[in-house]
Amino acid sequence: AQRVTQPEKLLSVFKGAPVELKCNYSYSGSPELFWYVQYSRQRLQLLLRHISRESIKGFTADLNKGETSFHLKKPFAQEEDSAMYYCALSPQGAQKLVFGQGTRLTINP
Amino acid sequence: DAGVTQSPTHLIKTRGQHVTLRCSPISGHKSVSWYQQVLGQGPQFIFQYYEKEERGRGNFPDRFSARQFPNYSSELNVNALLLGDSALYLCASSLGSLVTGELFFGEGSRLTVL
Repeated sequence: AQRVTQPEKLLSVFKGAPVELKCNYSYSGSPELFWYVQYSRQRLQLLLRHISRESIKGFTADLNKGETSFHLKKPFAQEEDSAMYYCALSPQGAQKLVFGQGTRLTINP
Repeated sequence: DAGVTQSPTHLIKTRGQHVTLRCSPISGHKSVSWYQQVLGQGPQFIFQYYEKEERGRGNFPDRFSARQFPNYSSELNVNALLLGDSALYLCASSLGSLVTGELFFGEGSRLTVL
């Protein structure tokens, strides 16, 4: 079975501090991994996907197959980063996303 | 383009009733997926339709059904509602059938079962 675990339901950091949102997964094959974000009063939207290895809004995420992790990082948090973040996995060849419980990130001024 | 649109936005039903939720994908998108999001949890996959055919089904009882129309819009139907069906139901559309591309979500239909 596939599972995504986000161990922190809430995370609060100060503006300018580094941010790391943790994501661990369990899946026996080669997954596709994503981070989705939901800003206040907005829709759930894609932030980044590991396959494209891009940096969006200063965020990066590295897939660590040995530790089965896909942590989201940003070196200097900004107030507009406050949002709900979901890590998600797509099993190989499947047409679905398996989401974690989400982490609510709050950036304090 | 307004993006993915869902209706109704809110509705209240009683146990045992039936509900139909509707979704219009972004123009040009042929795939529609449905997710259930219970308060405090991440979205959970229910169905995916691509070119009017069911391509994936999550671990939900047969009370849940869906279909996709020739214009690619979709309906999610839930029969014999239970209190536990209270949730936000999200629709997402995409160009292709695989989720390696981006999913575009609607704002959701919030269902309350009393």
